[in-house]
Amino acid sequence: AQTVTQSQPEMSVQEAETVTLSCTYDTSESNYYLFWYKQPPSRQMILVIRQEAYKQQNATENRFSVNFQKAAKSFSLKISDSQLGDTAMYFCAFLDSNYQLIWGAGTKLIIKP
Amino acid sequence: DTGVSQDPRHKITKRGQNVTFRCDPISEHNRLYWYRQTLGQGPEFLTYFQNEAQLEKSRLLSDRFSAERPKGSFSTLEIQRTEQGDSAMYLCASPSTPGNTIYFGEGSWLTVV
Repeated sequence: AQTVTQSQPEMSVQEAETVTLSCTYDTSESNYYLFWYKQPPSRQMILVIRQEAYKQQNATENRFSVNFQKAAKSFSLKISDSQLGDTAMYFCAFLDSNYQLIWGAGTKLIIKP
Repeated sequence: DTGVSQDPRHKITKRGQNVTFRCDPISEHNRLYWYRQTLGQGPEFLTYFQNEAQLEKSRLLSDRFSAERPKGSFSTLEIQRTEQGDSAMYLCASPSTPGNTIYFGEGSWLTVV
């Protein structure tokens, strides 16, 4: 069975610091999509970044970037220059060939002023 | 605004009543997902449509739950004879084709009292 593991239940950093959230997954598929979603207290599920497995280049979106290591099945999210508005739950998710999203348990990120 | 709208945003209902939620996905997206999320947990898959066809249903979706997507446009999720355990947020997601960029609506909160 395909699984997604987020090993950090909670993290906190000072504003303006860089933080990395880890995610590992297990699959036998070769082509798939990986996502990081942010869920602030409002509970809206917001897409942060998306990576296609066949692309070796790591995806970036402004202050957010990923370190995608396909062989190691690792997909970490780096947030640079963290801001108070980055405080949220962050979920890593894997889209399999049956179009099913497999979710990690989430990491609660707190940005301290 | 992700372009996926859900209605109502909040619903309080008495145990035993029926409730219906509606999702309007991004118009050109032919796939649609429903998820349920309780506090502190990641989303749980409920069901998945491709156009008007319901392709997969979770075992979580008991006989009291039914979903439709007439004409492959908006979708409804109905819960009959609600129970307190149905209290959760119900999320709708709309993936792009191609590309599988998955956008979520703001969710519909259900409280069963």
